[in-house]
Amino acid sequence: GENVEQHPSTLSVQEGDSAVIKCTYSDSASNYFPWYKQELGKRPQLIIDIRSNVGEKKDQRIAVTLNKTAKHFSLHITETQPEDSAVYFCAAIHQAGTALIFGKGTTLSVSS
Amino acid sequence: DTGVSQDPRHKITKRGQNVTFRCDPISEHNRLYWYRQTLGQGPEFLTYFQNEAQLEKSRLLSDRFSAERPKGSFSTLEIQRTEQGDSAMYLCASIGGMLTGEPYEQYFGPGTRLTVT
Repeated sequence: GENVEQHPSTLSVQEGDSAVIKCTYSDSASNYFPWYKQELGKRPQLIIDIRSNVGEKKDQRIAVTLNKTAKHFSLHITETQPEDSAVYFCAAIHQAGTALIFGKGTTLSVSS
Repeated sequence: DTGVSQDPRHKITKRGQNVTFRCDPISEHNRLYWYRQTLGQGPEFLTYFQNEAQLEKSRLLSDRFSAERPKGSFSTLEIQRTEQGDSAMYLCASIGGMLTGEPYEQYFGPGTRLTVT
């Protein structure tokens, strides 16, 4: 089955710096890769996603890149702000509607 | 607010007791998922339904766990004879739209935090 590895587990940056979180997946049939942001005690919230027919997607300060050959995808946050501090999870899915397989999460801390 | 609701939000129970959680998905969504999240981990898949049919169960779903979606709308997750290891956040998510082979975004509910003492 699918396995998703996520690195780093913790990331500390200064306000205004960029942050990059990387994930690798094992199942080459996976075709959808969402990123979720989870604040303490709250639900995971979808912040951006990418499908396997696209190499990069941007939404304001966040972007995701996908390398299907290497089976890895990354989340890029530019001009980080303290409110970006949270746990970020990557996930992968290989068939429409079946379960998301999540990485273990990255705790991002943005200090002002 | 994603439109997915869960009840209760918090549950404290003693070991050996039975508990039941409810999830109400977005009304037109035909797929409903249950995940479990323990501290410091990502959500782990438990089971999912398409309409009222339970299509897949994870090996994490022991025989003490049972889930239903009797009318293809809300779902319940019951844990019998709870153990301390069952303490976790139980998350529900739903997907809507026609299944054309394209994956759709999963919208999560707020979760039910279970504490087994």
